[in-house]
Amino acid sequence: EAGVAQSPRYKIIEKRQSVAFWCNPISGHATLYWYQQILGQGPKLLIQFQNNGVVDDSQLPKDRFSAERLKGVDSTLKIQPAKLEDSAVYLCASSLELGRSTDTQYFGPGTRLTVL
Amino acid sequence: KQEVTQIPAALSVPEGENLVLNCSFTDSAIYNLQWFRQDPGKGLTSLLLIQSSQREQTSGRLNASLDKSSGRSTLYIAASQPGDSATYLCAVASWGNEKLTFGTGTRLTIIP
Repeated sequence: EAGVAQSPRYKIIEKRQSVAFWCNPISGHATLYWYQQILGQGPKLLIQFQNNGVVDDSQLPKDRFSAERLKGVDSTLKIQPAKLEDSAVYLCASSLELGRSTDTQYFGPGTRLTVL
Repeated sequence: KQEVTQIPAALSVPEGENLVLNCSFTDSAIYNLQWFRQDPGKGLTSLLLIQSSQREQTSGRLNASLDKSSGRSTLYIAASQPGDSATYLCAVASWGNEKLTFGTGTRLTIIP
């Protein structure tokens, strides 16, 4: 079974530039998550989708971050414009569906973003 | 708001020793609790998931316990090996959207 795919793996940009990350979840997984992990901290949930609907985006900085999940499969996370404090690893995860307490989340390798 | 704390932040032990990692959380109304492993430059790998109604889970040399009343979980690793060196993260899922709140992790080093 293929895992969660993310691209690119690394990205370096100047502040105020735009950047986009892509995620392809495990086939058949209805729920998709984007996390931000700053160095030395645990991941923080940015946005959660169930199919192509948003379940939770309470911690997404909506003035600069946006995310979409087209057709309930792939997802993109965009930052525009980037700030220095956005330097972090952006992790995508997926799970089968909500309401199954035995389901874990499967994580991709992440995209390491450096904002200069 | 759920808060998750892991102590210690880093731990070094000689190979072969048994060890315990600690996790505490502030809101006992949890959906489940999960332990993950993170290797440098890689994503997270799920180790154990304990449902709200359970007290412990075991997988090989790993055993995780859950005490909701005290807001604590422990991850016990038996007969540690150098390959166990990694950062271990505890995460608590909330009821409703099953949102995971993570601790900051314990960086474990096993000394050969």
